[in-house]
Amino acid sequence: QSVLTQPPSASGTPGQRVTISCSGSSSNIGSNTVNWYQQLPGTAPKLLIYSNNQRPSGVPDRFSGSKSGTSASLAISGLQSEDEADYYCAAWDDSLKGGVFGGGTKLTVL
Amino acid sequence: EVQLVQSGAEVKKPGESLKISCKGSGYSFTSYWIGWVRQMPGKGLEWMGIIYPGDSDTRYSPSFQGQVTISADKSISTAYLQWSSLKASDTAMYYCARHEVGMVYMDVWGKGTTVTVSS
Repeated sequence: QSVLTQPPSASGTPGQRVTISCSGSSSNIGSNTVNWYQQLPGTAPKLLIYSNNQRPSGVPDRFSGSKSGTSASLAISGLQSEDEADYYCAAWDDSLKGGVFGGGTKLTVL
Repeated sequence: EVQLVQSGAEVKKPGESLKISCKGSGYSFTSYWIGWVRQMPGKGLEWMGIIYPGDSDTRYSPSFQGQVTISADKSISTAYLQWSSLKASDTAMYYCARHEVGMVYMDVWGKGTTVTVSS
């Protein structure tokens, strides 16, 4: 059971907009920034969004993040087949004094 | 180029010890934390802990405290993850990544080390 809660799966057709939610508590998302990671099949995770809504260099602006209270969301617009991957949210947890990940969401592009 | 190079795949028996490594290059190794992440077969990412190679300050997830040891040798820009007595349940992919403390910001990742524990 992960500290951060994500839906196990999401799907969309090419060109669509999809959102993935991440729910936490006051000790993690409520008091710290959220980062998102993309893991393509058979590869290491990649930083996708940091500090709730910032994109590292090279990440397309189709990807965006937001945070409100103890929840966060990742939005992907103009869905493409290469977006098919697992997506994880992560945040620091002040009670655990360490990092926590969500359980991951498998995105399928239909 | 900033990169983290991890040691190769390991196959061990239960009860054996193991130390895997993560060598940084292309940046000041002592100025950034290094984190370790476990991914069991078919499962999600789990945050294990972090170390600051500059002074070896280490933080562990409660789930991994006492189960593994994280260390670093700044003279060779290398961080380590070690087990004193492996269990079958330690079978997983282990990733190291450059990490910021106070946030799970991991911007540079190693390719991972597969550890298989089987009798």
